[in-house]
Amino acid sequence: QKEVEQDPGPLSVPEGAIVSLNCTYSNSAFQYFMWYRQYSRKGPELLMYTYSSGNKEDGRFTAQVDKSSKYISLFIRDSQPSDSATYLCAMSGNTGGFKTIFGAGTRLFVKA
Amino acid sequence: GAVVSQHPSRVICKSGTSVKIECRSLDFQATTMFWYRQFPKQSLMLMATSNEGSKATYEQGVEKDKFLINHASLTLSTLTVTSAHPEDSSFYICSARDGRPQYFGPGTRLLVL
Repeated sequence: QKEVEQDPGPLSVPEGAIVSLNCTYSNSAFQYFMWYRQYSRKGPELLMYTYSSGNKEDGRFTAQVDKSSKYISLFIRDSQPSDSATYLCAMSGNTGGFKTIFGAGTRLFVKA
Repeated sequence: GAVVSQHPSRVICKSGTSVKIECRSLDFQATTMFWYRQFPKQSLMLMATSNEGSKATYEQGVEKDKFLINHASLTLSTLTVTSAHPEDSSFYICSARDGRPQYFGPGTRLLVL
C-alpha cells in the first residue's frame, strides 16, 4: 500500500463546475498537507499549505484535512479552463526528516 | 510565495557529453534542495536530496556517479548529468525549502541525441 493514494483521473468537468480532488494516506504522523498545481511542461506550483486538520480557503480554492479519516481534499469553485492541469497532493510530518510524500497527481480538464 | 529558478530551461546535447543544470532559490535560503525527474504523463520521481555543505543523499536506483549534485550554498544547487545518453532525456525539476513546504523550479527539459 502506498503512503499516499490519489486517483490519477483524468477528471473532466464543464466550466463553472465545482471540482473535488482527494487523497488518502496511511501515515498518521503526517501533519503538513500541501496541494500543488502542475501545468504541462512546467514545475509544480504550491497552491495550498495547511497544518493539521481543518479548512483553508484562498479565493476559489478550499483545502480540507480530516486527520481522523486520513483524507484530504481540494475544492475548486467556478472552475475555469485555465484550471486544467495536474493537481498533486503532498504531505509531511515528524517522520523521515519531514520528507515530503507526493501523490501521483490527478489530471483535470475543464471544458469551456 | 518563494521563487525557485532553473537554468537552462531546455538543453539539447550530444550523447557522451555532460550537462549542468542550475537551481537557485531567489528570495529565501534553502536549507534543503531536491532534484526530481519526470517522464511524460508520469509523477515526480525523487532523485536526490541535498543539504547545504553536505553530500547529497540519492534515492535507490539513482547512479550518484552519473548524476552529480553540488549544493554549494544556501541559494544554489547544481545537477550535472555526466556522459549523457538518450535514455537520460527527461524533464528535470529542482525543489527547495527552508521550512515545511517545498517550492519548485520551472524545470529543465533535457534531450540527448
